[in-house]
Amino acid sequence: GAVVSQHPSRVICKSGTSVKIECRSLDFQATTMFWYRQFPKQSLMLMATSNEGSKATYEQGVEKDKFLINHASLTLSTLTVTSAHPEDSSFYICSARLGGGALTGELFFGEGSRLTVL
Amino acid sequence: AQSVSQHNHHVILSEAASLELGCNYSYGGTVNLFWYVQYPGQHLQLLLKYFSGDPLVKGIKGFEDEFIKSKFSFNLRKPSVQWSDTAEYFCAVNPLAAGNKLTFGGGTRVLVKP
Repeated sequence: GAVVSQHPSRVICKSGTSVKIECRSLDFQATTMFWYRQFPKQSLMLMATSNEGSKATYEQGVEKDKFLINHASLTLSTLTVTSAHPEDSSFYICSARLGGGALTGELFFGEGSRLTVL
Repeated sequence: AQSVSQHNHHVILSEAASLELGCNYSYGGTVNLFWYVQYPGQHLQLLLKYFSGDPLVKGIKGFEDEFIKSKFSFNLRKPSVQWSDTAEYFCAVNPLAAGNKLTFGGGTRVLVKP
C-alpha cells in the first residue's frame, strides 16, 4: 500500500523555539494532506487541510499563525509549530489522500511525530 | 453538535473470544465509514471501509463491520481474536459534504491476553 512518512518521529525543544515536522508521501503524489493532533488517551483532532500550491484550510479554533503549514510539492507538506509552549506538546499525525475523488480516496497515515516542549 | 462516539475506552479479553466494538455518529447526511487500527508503536492502518451497498463489510485480518443506518451505528466484529489483535481501534466518519475530512471516535484500546 501507499506509504506516508513523517520526520522527526520525536522532537524535544525549549519553550519559545519553532519546530518543523515533515510529512512525505513516498510512493504517490498527494494534492491534499491532513494534519491531526492527538492528545494523550484522546482521539485524533483535525487541525488543517493542506493543499498543494495553495493556502491551508484550518479548522475552527486552530491558530494559523501558530501552526504554519506549507505544501510546496505533491509529496511534501510541513507543519511548523512557531514559538512552541508546553501546551503544544502533543502527538502530530499527517495523512495523505491516495487517488479518486472524495468518495473513494483512501487516506494513509504517517507514523506520527511526538513533540515535547520543555 | 455532530460527533462520533465509541462505546468502550478499554476492552480486555482472552484469545479466541469474540470482539465487538460499537461506534455511533450523529451526522444526518450521507457518510462514508471507516475503522482504523493502531498497533503498538505503529501508525494508523485502515481495517475496513463502508461507502455503500451491503451493510455487512468484510475487512482484513478477519474483521467485519455491520452498518445499521437506522441507528447511526457501525460495529466492528471479529469472531475469534488473537494476541496480535492487541491494538487501539478508531472508527471514523467522513460526511460526503465535508470532502475527505475524517472525524474520529475516541478510540478503544483492546488488550488480548494470551
